[in-house]
Amino acid sequence: SQQGEEDPQALSIQEGENATMNCSYKTSINNLQWYRQNSGRGLVHLILIRSNEREKHSGRLRVTLDTSKKSSSLLITASRAADTASYFCATDAHYGNNRLAFGKGNQVVVIP
Amino acid sequence: ETGVTQSPTHLIKTRGQQVTLRCSSQSGHNTVSWYQQALGQGPQFIFQYYREEENGRGNFPPRFSGLQFPNYSSELNVNALELDDSALYLCASSPGNTGELFFGEGSRLTVL
Repeated sequence: SQQGEEDPQALSIQEGENATMNCSYKTSINNLQWYRQNSGRGLVHLILIRSNEREKHSGRLRVTLDTSKKSSSLLITASRAADTASYFCATDAHYGNNRLAFGKGNQVVVIP
Repeated sequence: ETGVTQSPTHLIKTRGQQVTLRCSSQSGHNTVSWYQQALGQGPQFIFQYYREEENGRGNFPPRFSGLQFPNYSSELNVNALELDDSALYLCASSPGNTGELFFGEGSRLTVL
């Protein structure tokens, strides 16, 4: 099955709240990446976390990686309406290097 | 610095026809990857080109083919179009075959 699978749920939150989404994968990885996509447009890279890292921050984003559980989480703090998008995790496990296998995505709606 | 550009943005074809999609990579990027994204799904890896050579392929039939040119731009060709080929086709470039991908806005193909 596909590497990098998010909990396939739509998340609706109020502006200012935190949003958390999870991703699991099945085999060893070198790194895991998170991307954002607005309304069927191109994907935008958010953050890359390497297999030897446990946590990484970028602005309001916090990513954790648990290689023993083969899972990752993306936390968006103090959400804004502009964060409304689909979020995908992707790993290099299946194809190697940056030939990525993406999950099905998590749709997040932030209500102003 | 110019980002990844794709053309055309939208097109409609009928079953059995052929289509060519084009991608200009970001300046300085020698690697181009193509992804297919069906509605409501995550992107699926088609293939990657590195320095004009195919450098990995996903689970797509031979009627999906590609090229990379000396300026690192790329084409995706699909022959004998099928209804299931209707999707958003995304091109992504990177400065090597590791690390993050930089995506274009995609070409939306509808097959009737």
